[in-house]
Amino acid sequence: QLQLQESGPGLVKPSETLSLTCTVSGGSISSSSSHWGWIRQPPGKGLEWIGSIYYSGRTYYNPSLESRVTVVIDTSKNQFSLRVSSLTAADTAEYYCARQWEMTTTGQEYFDLWGRGTLVTVSS
Amino acid sequence: DIQMTQSPSSLSASVGDRVTITCRASQSISSHLNWYQQKPGKAPNLLIFAASSLQSGVPSRFSGSGSGTNFTLTISSLQPEDFATYHCQQSYSTFYTFGQGTKLEIK
Repeated sequence: QLQLQESGPGLVKPSETLSLTCTVSGGSISSSSSHWGWIRQPPGKGLEWIGSIYYSGRTYYNPSLESRVTVVIDTSKNQFSLRVSSLTAADTAEYYCARQWEMTTTGQEYFDLWGRGTLVTVSS
Repeated sequence: DIQMTQSPSSLSASVGDRVTITCRASQSISSHLNWYQQKPGKAPNLLIFAASSLQSGVPSRFSGSGSGTNFTLTISSLQPEDFATYHCQQSYSTFYTFGQGTKLEIK
């Protein structure tokens, strides 16, 4: 069964860059119906989509974060990664990676598998 | 961006109750609407996709309906494990957006 696991630092200083990796196990990251996304949730708040990547490497981002965010994929390692630059306290959140499944018949997309999440705190 | 608004923001109900949560989109999203359940300290779990399709393994007491701008999630008979926060999400635009969440609590 496909599983996702986030990894990265739990504490980052303001103005620095956050790097998180999501490792996919139990299946290939290169499926044409699978895209891969990052979602975050500040403590006590709702969910915010950050960005997604296709196995081909095509990316799309939340416009409010696009200038600071990069998502890349490494099919050889079955991993995809997130970088967020110029961090502030507002970036403190639980960060989730997720599989974004696309129904080829209808084009409907949804996040059907999620990692457990990793809490990132931005503080000096 | 497409704004998603859920109502109510919180809800108290009893085991066995029928519960309905509403999600409204700021513009038509056809049936590109998904529902997730999230328990404290856990990742969200997909319940319903494409407005009304039940995800594999999800109990049949959960159902979804709607199209265009108005959608509902219904739990036909609340069970103790259903007390959680529910989120709607649109996938019509590739700028995916979520509702603010509805917290379902025990009365």
